Amino acid sequence: QVQLQESGPGLVKPSQTLSLTCTVSGASISSDSYYWSWIRQPAGKGLEWIGRIYTSGSTNYNPSLKSRVTISLDTSKNQFSLKLSSVTAADTAVYYCASDLIGSGRPFDYWGQGTLVTVSS
Amino acid sequence: DIVMTQSPDSLAVSLGERATINCKSSQSVLSTSNNKNYLTWYQQKPGQPPKLLIYWASTRESGVPDRFSGSGSGTDFTLTISTLQAEDVAVYYCQQYYSAPLTFGGGTKVEIK
Repeated sequence: QVQLQESGPGLVKPSQTLSLTCTVSGASISSDSYYWSWIRQPAGKGLEWIGRIYTSGSTNYNPSLKSRVTISLDTSKNQFSLKLSSVTAADTAVYYCASDLIGSGRPFDYWGQGTLVTVSS
Repeated sequence: DIVMTQSPDSLAVSLGERATINCKSSQSVLSTSNNKNYLTWYQQKPGQPPKLLIYWASTRESGVPDRFSGSGSGTDFTLTISTLQAEDVAVYYCQQYYSAPLTFGGGTKVEIK
């Protein structure tokens, strides 16, 4: 069973860069069977897919965030990361990482518990 | 982008009664190559990440009670809880997996009447 755990600062100042890491166990980041995604959820609101990365390093980003988002892999640590630049209060949310077993029809079959990131000075 | 529209926003159902949630996509999520609908349903309880309930529009995830069922094809989909239990109180989301960006419906909050 795949397990994911988000980590990173819970407070980021406006205009700075939000950086989060997702540590994966039970599966290899290098596996060609998975996409690895980031999803966020503002308090009391719905879910927004931020983007995903494949083992090759290829990425897909939500066009609404594409100019500010970078997702990368660290295969040595079995982790993937999210960077979101020029943050504002609108980026305050719970950030989730999730796995997607390609071809299974089961996107986001496993999720991290989520980490709350607050953008405030 | 494919826009997912759920209805209603919330519903209150008596214990043991049926709950029905609708989801409409702005374009078809049916793949002609494999005849599968790239539509999933999630359940989210407070303080928890979403949990996958249904994929391929109608295939129940392992371990999900059979009172949960999904139906529909193309652009119109339904999640049905046949006999509502207290533990089913949650927000339910549909999501399309047909094309990036992957998009979610706005959610439907299910409560006990």
